[in-house]
Amino acid sequence: EIVLTQSPATLSLSPGERATLSCRASQSVSSYLAWYQQKPGQAPRLLIYDASNRATGIPARFSGSGSGTDFTLTISSLEPEDFAVYYCQQRSNWPLLTFGQGTRLEIK
Amino acid sequence: EVQLVESGGGLVQPGGSLRLSCAASGFTFSSYSMNWVRQAPGKGLEWVSYISSSSSTIYYADSVKGRFTISRDNAKNSLYLQMNSLRDEDTAVYYCARDAGDYVWGSYQSYGMDVWGQGTTVTVSS
Repeated sequence: EIVLTQSPATLSLSPGERATLSCRASQSVSSYLAWYQQKPGQAPRLLIYDASNRATGIPARFSGSGSGTDFTLTISSLEPEDFAVYYCQQRSNWPLLTFGQGTRLEIK
Repeated sequence: EVQLVESGGGLVQPGGSLRLSCAASGFTFSSYSMNWVRQAPGKGLEWVSYISSSSSTIYYADSVKGRFTISRDNAKNSLYLQMNSLRDEDTAVYYCARDAGDYVWGSYQSYGMDVWGQGTTVTVSS
């Protein structure tokens, strides 16, 4: 099983600041990594697929990068609605998909 | 509007059974593969099962293999999850999710899950 480790567990920032979230895989997943956003009481929302491709309707302030084992989700300038939990998910071992444990992005 | 609506959750005793349903609307359900994903209270996301558009290909997570059965009825635009021999650790919110994928050089590529339902809660407890 491919294990995804996200860091930090919690990130405290203010609106307007830049957020950098990390996801590290236990073995190479090539570029087969997605990012999701989940707000309290809501279902997850696909943000990024294949490491750097924004899903339909996702604002340009969200960007993804990385390949192999190290990946980053960057939010260039935080909006109030961006404070949520973010998960990475690999598809390298499809169909045995795995998710990271999540990073909580909270308002400072 | 593209929508998925789950139902069928509830309280069940260990060893019991439950059948979840997911009603799809706003898109051509028969053209998409589907997934079930669950989230235990206060925990992260866990993929549970996958079914291709024609039901020809089905996969399960090891944690549910032999106990859960995924199925679909394209005529009714519906996805199902039959859960048997339920355990405490199956307690979770269960989401159905549309697979965003495509065939590339004859091989199916899944890019992620792009439409999710609101979830239905399953509680396994005596």
